[in-house]
Amino acid sequence: DGGITQSPKYLFRKEGQNVTLSCEQNLNHDAMYWYRQDPGQGLRLIYYSQIVNDFQKGDIAEGYSVSREKKESFPLTVTSAQKNPTAFYLCASSLTGPNTEAFFGQGTRLTVV
Amino acid sequence: AQSVTQLGSHVSVSEGALVLLRCNYSSSVPPYLFWYVQYPNQGLQLLLKYTSAATLVKGINGFEAEFKKSETSFHLTKPSAHMSDAAEYFCAVRSPNTGNQFYFGTGTSLTVIP
Repeated sequence: DGGITQSPKYLFRKEGQNVTLSCEQNLNHDAMYWYRQDPGQGLRLIYYSQIVNDFQKGDIAEGYSVSREKKESFPLTVTSAQKNPTAFYLCASSLTGPNTEAFFGQGTRLTVV
Repeated sequence: AQSVTQLGSHVSVSEGALVLLRCNYSSSVPPYLFWYVQYPNQGLQLLLKYTSAATLVKGINGFEAEFKKSETSFHLTKPSAHMSDAAEYFCAVRSPNTGNQFYFGTGTSLTVIP
């Protein structure tokens, strides 16, 4: 079945550590996105990529980094520079045409302990 | 820039009653519009989308939405609420004017009262 897979579902991080969230899709989509979700704030765009080896900062990129070495994969690293990383992280992918929808993974809940 | 406004962060309806979730967009050109549903600790699932083929769009689970250009609105409705409809709902807009990014509203939490 085609879809988008995020792992792990739950992740705990100690302060000062970097962690990487995985996102893989087999939908043959060119565009991929990372969103952060906090209660009452909807989805905020962290980074997006419309093609392999290229990505752009979203609205809240500080403290995060990404790579897009393969079309199928778009991992997100939460660095120690992110001051408040506890949140629900959602990865999505889509075709690049504006009349097409985004497909979402099941999310990763990151907690700093 | 694109923006989406969802009026009412929390909506409560009785089981069997009409569901109405409001979404207004701002765009200099007619955008493409989407409604998504999210259940706790899960990703977003597409309910329906407007892509200019028809102003009244039917989606999954009995939901529908009507695109009204004059009101810049895309409200989501369902004639009769079911307990399983309790979830968070997000309206989103996408436009070629802004690099085809998705812009999401802040969401509306729907509670269904038995």
